[in-house]
Amino acid sequence: DTEVTQTPKHLVMGMTNKKSLKCEQHMGHRAMYWYKQKAKKPPELMFVYSYEKLSINESVPSRFSPECPNSSLLNLHLHALQPEDSALYLCASSPRGLAGTDTQYFGPGTRLTVL
Amino acid sequence: EDQVTQSPEALRLQEGESSSLNCSYTVSGLRGLFWYRQDPGKGPEFLFTLYSAGEEKEKERLKATLTKKESFLHITAPKPEDSATYLCAVQASGREYGNKLVFGAGTILRVKS
Repeated sequence: DTEVTQTPKHLVMGMTNKKSLKCEQHMGHRAMYWYKQKAKKPPELMFVYSYEKLSINESVPSRFSPECPNSSLLNLHLHALQPEDSALYLCASSPRGLAGTDTQYFGPGTRLTVL
Repeated sequence: EDQVTQSPEALRLQEGESSSLNCSYTVSGLRGLFWYRQDPGKGPEFLFTLYSAGEEKEKERLKATLTKKESFLHITAPKPEDSATYLCAVQASGREYGNKLVFGAGTILRVKS
């Protein structure tokens, strides 16, 4: 089973709201990722957690705040977003940490609209 | 700088009309090349991982091959349900961390019945 789940599927929020995206995997994977994808573009990496520690932050604005409460769960907290942050947010996981070649498995995504 | 280029940008096929998608790459030491399929509004679905030149992998109507400079995704007798965007990505040994995916822009495939 290579399933990564994400909730909610769709989210509409105002620029002053605070919301969170959730991602879960029960495959024992040690690395988890957040990506942002705009229409007709490939996914862009935002954050990487390896063994529950934030290892990579691709210069993402502080209005996006990741959290990894345990090895199976990854959250993305959103606050004071801008309309240009509207996108498909993807979570992925991979079996090993950052060091080796590793296949990433993606979740279905959360479609975020910022009004 | 690591680069991945996919061609064509878009491809229209008739059902049953076989064809190939191309992914050419320039990286400082290839660790792995990945093919994903993505339906509109959904997350990428993993298809294949290729590690070294000469390697081939097959799944149903799809076959992926790898050379030292490019990969091909061959689609044999496609069906309308094969319509999707196909993404190619590489992991390179020259990166600051090993498993960052560098994506191509994708090929949009439409198969008409």
